This record gives sequence, C-alpha cells and structure tokens, in this order.
Amino acid sequence: GQQVMQIPQYQHVQEGEDFTTYCNSSTTLSNIQWYKQRPGGHPVFLIQLVKSGEVKKQKRLTFQFGEAKKNSSLHITATQTTDVGTYFCAVSSGSARQLTFGSGTQLTVLP
Amino acid sequence: SQTIHQWPATLVQPVGSPLSLECTVEGTSNPNLYWYRQAAGRGLQLLFYSVGIGQISSEVPQNLSASRPQDRQFILSSKKLLLSDSGFYLCAWSVRWGRAEETQYFGPGTRLLVL
Repeated sequence: GQQVMQIPQYQHVQEGEDFTTYCNSSTTLSNIQWYKQRPGGHPVFLIQLVKSGEVKKQKRLTFQFGEAKKNSSLHITATQTTDVGTYFCAVSSGSARQLTFGSGTQLTVLP
Repeated sequence: SQTIHQWPATLVQPVGSPLSLECTVEGTSNPNLYWYRQAAGRGLQLLFYSVGIGQISSEVPQNLSASRPQDRQFILSSKKLLLSDSGFYLCAWSVRWGRAEETQYFGPGTRLLVL
C-alpha cells in the first residue's frame, strides 16, 4: 500500500495557539483521510480529500491536499482543550479500500 | 443507523493461551471489515481485511488469524498468545461499493494484555 510519513509525533500547545500536522508521501496519493482519536478512544473519521489543491474547513479545522497530491495538512486555529487527542492521516487503496495510517500526531493542549 | 460492537472490552491473558475477539456490525449489509492493532502510544497497523464471507486477506504474517463466518461478524483468533500480542485491537467497517467517501467506522476496541 501507499506509505505516508506524519510529523510531528508530539505537539504541546497553549490553549488558544494554533496547531498543524503534516503528512507526506513520496508517491502521488489517490486520496487522503484524517481521523481523530481521543485518549482511550477509537479513531473517528474527520474528512476525506481527493482533489489536487483541495481545501476543506470544519469550524476551526482546515484540511489541505497538496497540488501534487503528495502531501496534506490539518490546521487547527485557536486550539481548545477539546482538541486533545491523536490525529492520523490515512490513505485508502486496494480491493477493500484498506487504510494505511500515518504514525499520528499526539496533541496536548495546556490550559 | 449502523453500529459496530466489539467484545470483550478488556482482556488479560497468560502467554500461550488462546484468543478469540469478536466484532459485529448492525444496520448495514455486505460491509468491508477490518482488524487493526495499536500498540501503546503508537499508530494503527492493519492486520486483516475481508470483502465477504469466508474471504480473509492478511497484511502481516503473525500468529493471529481471522475468520468471517457471517456477513456482519468478524473474529480475530490466536492459538497461543505471545507477549508481543498485547495492544489495542480495533475492528472497523466500510461500505463496500458506491460511496464517494470511503470512511471507515471503528468499534470501541478491545484492550488485550498478555502476561
């Protein structure tokens, strides 16, 4: 399957600061999905991007897919304590659209 | 609406003992089904996936196996557990055909500790 590298592995921010996590691939991606996993919980789907240069917003979250479809980012504006968790990017491929996950970015928001 | 169940929620097993984790999906037909494992503080590793009854594909060779005896039932098994089998086991499903978004929906997971 397609591989994605995700950085940073950990990020600590003060509440109200912005946060960004990045996913990069050496090959062109057909799509990219983003998931959030709260501490002790299971991953929950946030969004899927499929078009070159695509930008989607969900309230304070902005998702981008690069023009070359080799990278993607998730940006959170003015973080809140409810944003705490691990954010994963993932690429689907294969007959069952199975997912290959990035290693995740664990976000800690300090009050 | 669709729901996905996993049990047990937590499990402590001795090394060398057998394992059976069950996952069931309600409210959908012919789903793709998946088993993932997540080590503590790590990412998700795909173990098995299935596109139909009796059809199992393995991503990583190991001492685990999977079966799909019914359309909406997915079972993860082992004959003899290893210490390295400890982790958080997640089952997920997705719609097999016809959706623009290929979302996967995860169950609550089973936390397995092998001692």
